[in-house]
This record gives sequence, structure tokens and C-alpha cells, in this order.
Amino acid sequence: ETGVTQTPRHLVMGMTNKKSLKCEQHLGHNAMYWYKQSAKKPLELMFVYNFKEQTENNSVPSRFSPECPNSSHLFLHLHTLQPEDSALYLCASSPGRGVGGSTGELFFGEGSRLTVL
Amino acid sequence: AQKVTQAQTEISVVEKEDVTLDCVYETRDTTYYLFWYKQPPSGELVFLIRRNSFDEQNEISGRYSWNFQKSTSSFNFTITASQVVDSAVYFCALSEEPLFSGGYNKLIFGAGTRLAVHP
Repeated sequence: ETGVTQTPRHLVMGMTNKKSLKCEQHLGHNAMYWYKQSAKKPLELMFVYNFKEQTENNSVPSRFSPECPNSSHLFLHLHTLQPEDSALYLCASSPGRGVGGSTGELFFGEGSRLTVL
Repeated sequence: AQKVTQAQTEISVVEKEDVTLDCVYETRDTTYYLFWYKQPPSGELVFLIRRNSFDEQNEISGRYSWNFQKSTSSFNFTITASQVVDSAVYFCALSEEPLFSGGYNKLIFGAGTRLAVHP
């Protein structure tokens, strides 16, 4: 089983729909992240959860609502999105403080490709 | 301001050519970390290397090598004898916070360079 798993891999939704993206990590990490990847733009950090507590919200519109019920699961709830929200949404995780052997990198899932019509 | 610039949007080479991907960063911190990630067509970003600001030694790993120069704020990546499997989008990233102080890593990415290696 891969370290970070994202579902669904592809999602098409209308502007009035409500949907959710799911991320699960099997690495025993304590920090989880949502990044947005739009064409030809840098990856944008959206949210960070550290030990289930939200530590970063990078001025993300309220139509994106994250949820982290435990250190292994991260959700991104979507409602009333706009066409410009179409992008690849990447989940990542990293070890928490004091974890030996970590080189500081993030471990990414394969992403959820979202299309908003 | 924290910023990473990858000026090359796309590069196309023929197999066995050497190719260098450029990365220029901006930061006011004296302690920082630089990364390179590879994104194959499957989508996930794969970690390639991390460098801290106190270590300017160049590094070689097989066909990959990295040239870190603080004087020009650059962290360039060279692939020697490129192969078709090297085709991917490559991202350079910067982390300004000490990696293990808050327990999480806030990476700032460049826009990426798409490398196409043709047979």
C-alpha cells in the first residue's frame, strides 16, 4: 500500500455541488498538508494540520473546508466552488518533531484532479 | 519575501544529452533549506534532495548532481546522460522555518520545469 493515498483521483462537479476529497497516510506521520497545483503556477500551500490541529490556513476561501479527525486522515470539503478552483489537489504528510531519521521532506499522494463546471 | 523562481517552463532534449534545470530563490533568513522534487505523470511529487544553507558542497547521486551557490542564490540541478524516464516536472522548493521546531515543514515551491526527454 502506498504511503499517502488520495481519493478520488478524478472529480467533476458543478458549482452548486458539495463533495469531499480524502487523504490517508500510512507512514505514522503527525503533520498533514493540502496543496493546490494549478497549471503553470507554483504549488500553493492551503492548509497544514499538526497533531490534528490546524496550524496554517493560507488565506483559503471558505468554500474549502478542511477536516483532520486524526493524524492519519485529512479531508477537504468542497462546496459552491468556482471554475477557477479546477486544479490538482495534493495531500502530503511529514514526520512530527523528534522523529528520528527524517530528512525534512514531504511525502505526497498522487493528487485529486478536480474539474469544476 | 520568500520566493522560488524556475525560469525555464519547458525543456526538451534528446536522450543522452545533459540538461540543467535552474532554480533561484529569495529569502532573508540565514538558515533555510532547499529541495528538489520530481513529479512524474502519475502525479505524486517524489523527493530528490534537501540542502541546508550551511552546506554549499555540491552533491552527486548517480546521473543527478546539484550545484548550490549562495552568492547567486541558486540551486541548480543537472541530469547527465538524460533518459526517457527522466521526463517529468521538476520542482525546486524553499523552507525558511527550522525543520523540526514546529513539527511541520512549510515548503514554498517554484512553478516547476517540465522536462521532456525524447528517444
